[in-house]
Amino acid sequence: NAGVMQNPRHLVRRRGQEARLRCSPMKGHSHVYWYRQLPEEGLKFMVYLQKENIIDESGMPKERFSAEFPKEGPSILRIQQVVRGDSAAYFCASSPAGSTKNIQYFGAGTRLSVL
Amino acid sequence: EDKVVQSPLSLVVHEGDTVTLNCSYEVTNFRSLLWYKQEKKAPTFLFMLTSSGIEKKSGRLSSILDKKELSSILNITATQTGDSAIYLCAVEAPGNTPLVFGKGTRLSVIA
Repeated sequence: NAGVMQNPRHLVRRRGQEARLRCSPMKGHSHVYWYRQLPEEGLKFMVYLQKENIIDESGMPKERFSAEFPKEGPSILRIQQVVRGDSAAYFCASSPAGSTKNIQYFGAGTRLSVL
Repeated sequence: EDKVVQSPLSLVVHEGDTVTLNCSYEVTNFRSLLWYKQEKKAPTFLFMLTSSGIEKKSGRLSSILDKKELSSILNITATQTGDSAIYLCAVEAPGNTPLVFGKGTRLSVIA
């Protein structure tokens, strides 16, 4: 049973370009969470999605950032017109549907570097 | 605002030492507390704690929750160099709220 898969592992973009980060949850998981981690900081929640629905996007900047989790395929975190401050590690986690023991399992992250 | 504070922020010990990592929280409607270990890859799940006073154990690692003190500790006995990592504490509240993470404790175990 494969874990949470994220790709790419490393992504380099120039200022103004778009970054697309992908996350395939664990098999059987229909809840996906995106977090951002800056150096020496903890994980900061960005957005929580279920299939075709955004449940909570309170941690995501209102401009330039968007996320989706379509019926088929991976969840995508999209950052438009990237700036240097977007450089960070972006982690995706997934959890099973309807579980009261809501353990989130993490992927290895995508490290975004904006030049 | 929900808050999770871990201490110490970093720690250097020698192999064989025992360490205690601390996590305190201020969360509305607490539901559970989770510990993760983060090396240079995915944070890996260690423990989920929901009830006060019940110790969870996995090998040399153990953890316990104190709801009265709003805190938890993670103990590692007979540390090994492979225990070197960032240990993250996170707290969950009911409903759709996500996990709230502390900044982590960076543990370095030297031979």
